[in-house]
Amino acid sequence: DADVTQTPRNRITKTGKRIMLECSQTKGHDRMYWYRQDPGLGLQLIYYSFDVKDINKGEISDGYSVSRQAQAKFSLSLESAIPNQTALYFCATSDGRRGAVNEQFFGPGTRLTVL
Amino acid sequence: SQQGEEDPQALSIQEGENATMNCSYKTSINNLQWYRQNSGRGLVHLILIRSNEREKHSGRLRVTLDTSKKSSSLLITASRAADTASYFCAPLTSGSARQLTFGSGTQLTVLP
Repeated sequence: DADVTQTPRNRITKTGKRIMLECSQTKGHDRMYWYRQDPGLGLQLIYYSFDVKDINKGEISDGYSVSRQAQAKFSLSLESAIPNQTALYFCATSDGRRGAVNEQFFGPGTRLTVL
Repeated sequence: SQQGEEDPQALSIQEGENATMNCSYKTSINNLQWYRQNSGRGLVHLILIRSNEREKHSGRLRVTLDTSKKSSSLLITASRAADTASYFCAPLTSGSARQLTFGSGTQLTVLP
């Protein structure tokens, strides 16, 4: 079984709709991240959480919100989707017990298309 | 934000040849990490080098770090078609040490 799972894997929606992307992990990691990737580009950090009560904005948080429901679950919401949020979205985890951010483990991604 | 910049943007080689990718960054780092991404999939961690290390090996991978030049290189020896992927460096800024940032990557194509 995959250690980091994302649902859904693909989603097509319309402008103005509310969308939630979910991430679950069985690695027991305390740190979780949401990134977006646009075609041919690197990853941009949207939000990150170092534990259930710790939520931080990343580089591009506008238009997004997150919820850390439990240590193993981290959800990303688009309150009112717009076409330029069409991208590949990745969830990642890391083990904070090792101090500074070390190896991150990525989920398989969610391909989101906003029409 | 601290962002690694990979060079070249694209690299095409024959199977069996070595592939070298470079990364430059702007400020002091805690560590620098390299990741691989197969088309449309999640990133996979390859190797991490700390700021006090100069070279590290893992199988066919060799990473160097020159903090005076703020640069790193990833060498893949005896490349295989399965190495075809995008490769990203991710410097971790010292100080806050809370988040990685990724560049645009090097797209490596290994021709059989």
